[in-house]
Amino acid sequence: EVQLVESGGGLVQPGRSLRLSCAASGFTFDDYALHWVRQAPGKGLEWVSGISWNSDRTGYADSVRGRFTISRDNARNSLYLQMNSLRAEDTALYYCAKDFHGIITAITLDYWGQGTLVTVSS
Amino acid sequence: IQMTQSPSSLSASVRDRVTITCQASQDIGNSLNWYQQKPGKAPNLLIYDASKLETGVPSRFSGSGSGTDFTFTISSLHPEDVATYYCQQYRSLPVTFGGGTKVEIK
Repeated sequence: EVQLVESGGGLVQPGRSLRLSCAASGFTFDDYALHWVRQAPGKGLEWVSGISWNSDRTGYADSVRGRFTISRDNARNSLYLQMNSLRAEDTALYYCAKDFHGIITAITLDYWGQGTLVTVSS
Repeated sequence: IQMTQSPSSLSASVRDRVTITCQASQDIGNSLNWYQQKPGKAPNLLIYDASKLETGVPSRFSGSGSGTDFTFTISSLHPEDVATYYCQQYRSLPVTFGGGTKVEIK
């Protein structure tokens, strides 16, 4: 059974940093691309970032490019999102999601975690 | 690429046919997925490549369209279909989602 478990969320002040983690199991981790998708309270879905199976390609939403960095550790079956210079508008539930494919050119999200909540507030 | 979904919400009776549309701001071929998100839960992939049914998804769900205009249909609404449905294009980065359609039972 595929499982994706996010952690690392919490309350953080504007301008500070936070690192999210996603622990994966139940599939061959290094065969698939992975992504972060967020959902602000009461709002729709926003793709944040994605990374290919071997980390050679990454992508970012315009709203986070230059502030967030996605990475993965295939030896640890883990995905990460380093979030710097956080803003109030980054407040959201952050989901880790597995891609149907190994590369980030036909992004189709077939499994999702339950999310970790990030609140940016003073 | 902007994705415009309509309606933003609808109310229908059990066994009704429900149709949601999604329009892309430019030609995306068949690079479109549909997701279901039940209240308090993570999204779930229903349809990929515009019309292919994900494994395990009931056949009452279907998708069609190409280019800029797409349709998602529930042929006979069940009570467990109460959810918000999102389209998502993957033609180019950044991938983008529609604003969602909230489906309720009348």
